[in-house]
Amino acid sequence: AQSVAQPEDQVNVAEGNPLTVKCTYSVSGNPYLFWYVQYPNRGLQFLLKYITGDNLVKGSYGFEAEFNKSQTSFHLKKPSALVSDSALYFCAVRDGPNDYKLSFGAGTTVTVRA
Amino acid sequence: GAGVSQTPSNKVTEKGKYVELRCDPISGHTALYWYRQSLGQGPEFLIYFQGTGAADDSGLPNDRFFAVRPEGSVSTLKIQRTERGDSAVYLCASSLGHANTGELFFGEGSRLTVL
Repeated sequence: AQSVAQPEDQVNVAEGNPLTVKCTYSVSGNPYLFWYVQYPNRGLQFLLKYITGDNLVKGSYGFEAEFNKSQTSFHLKKPSALVSDSALYFCAVRDGPNDYKLSFGAGTTVTVRA
Repeated sequence: GAGVSQTPSNKVTEKGKYVELRCDPISGHTALYWYRQSLGQGPEFLIYFQGTGAADDSGLPNDRFFAVRPEGSVSTLKIQRTERGDSAVYLCASSLGHANTGELFFGEGSRLTVL
């Protein structure tokens, strides 16, 4: 069965500094990887995905993520964080094209201080 | 509205009662999911519909939980004989067609509290 680990419960950064949120995964086949963000009192919102192709994928709000097959990682990054990026971030994975079940990590709370 | 709508947004009930949670997906989305999110955890898969049929209900925790989607649009999650451990936020998501590469659109969830 597939699984996702987000090793950090919380990440704190100053505005303008780079932001990284870590994610590692485990699947038996080819991973389909996703990042979602949850703002307070809002539903989960899609940020970006990796299915195939270029290991560096770009998404909404200036976020990007790098797929690393050898390290089974899919870390989320933003070169310059904003206070408005403060939210709960979830990494998620599907186990290949025939798996419809999206498995989520426990989430990482990001706080960007002014 | 344009997004996934879930009602009620909050539900408080007593142990042993029956509860229904409703999801109205984005118009035209054939795939619909139910997830459960407990405090401090990520969403946990419950059930997936493609059209009217439940393609995967392997995440339903036990036979007290049941979900339907009779006309391929609105879905209802039904919980019988509620227990305190059922307290969580129940999330619904939909997507266009086969969802295995596409993004899911989530509702804001229904927060269930069982006293």
